[in-house]
Amino acid sequence: GDSVTQMEGPVTLSEEAFLTINCTYTATGYPSLFWYVQYPGEGLQLLLKATKADDKGSNKGFEATYRKETTSFHLEKGSVQVSDSAVYFCALRTRGSEKLVFGKGTKLTVNP
Amino acid sequence: DTAVSQTPKYLVTQMGNDKSIKCEQNLGHDTMYWYKQDSKKFLKIMFSYNNKELIINETVPNRFSPKSPDKAHLNLHINSLELGDSAVYFCASSPGRGGEETQYFGPGTRLLVL
Repeated sequence: GDSVTQMEGPVTLSEEAFLTINCTYTATGYPSLFWYVQYPGEGLQLLLKATKADDKGSNKGFEATYRKETTSFHLEKGSVQVSDSAVYFCALRTRGSEKLVFGKGTKLTVNP
Repeated sequence: DTAVSQTPKYLVTQMGNDKSIKCEQNLGHDTMYWYKQDSKKFLKIMFSYNNKELIINETVPNRFSPKSPDKAHLNLHINSLELGDSAVYFCASSPGRGGEETQYFGPGTRLLVL
């Protein structure tokens, strides 16, 4: 079945450091890929998405590129802020499926 | 102007009780979902409805019963609550059933069973 594997957390960085959170996937169909963010005590918000190979999703300084050859969708940000502290979820959804399949989440803490 | 709302936000109850969680979306979406997030933050879909029709029913105990009175509402009723039901339950909605479409999540209902 479809699955998403994210790097284990937690990740702790200093402000202005570079962030990478790895995400790889296995899918039977051709998936759309998503990154969601969950701030403490809140629900999930869509951060960015990509729907086909080589697409780059971007939002709030975060970027991720859909790499079909490596089945990856790694999340990057050049300079993190304290306000980026949250749990980040990689997810996929294949065409014709209503299900979002999530990775286990990566907790990011950014210290001043 | 909340897009997806859930009530209650917190729910503390005793084992064996029956409880309901309500969800409403004002986005005009056709599809709604229930997800369960366990203590390790792992998220898994439970149910999905499209225009009041059940389209996803994962391997969830039949103590859990979703009800969709109209396409803007999807409620979750849980009978005979167990300790293992303690989790955060998220409602979500999307415009339709396509794989590209974004799902919009509610703030979550934190259920604690004692």
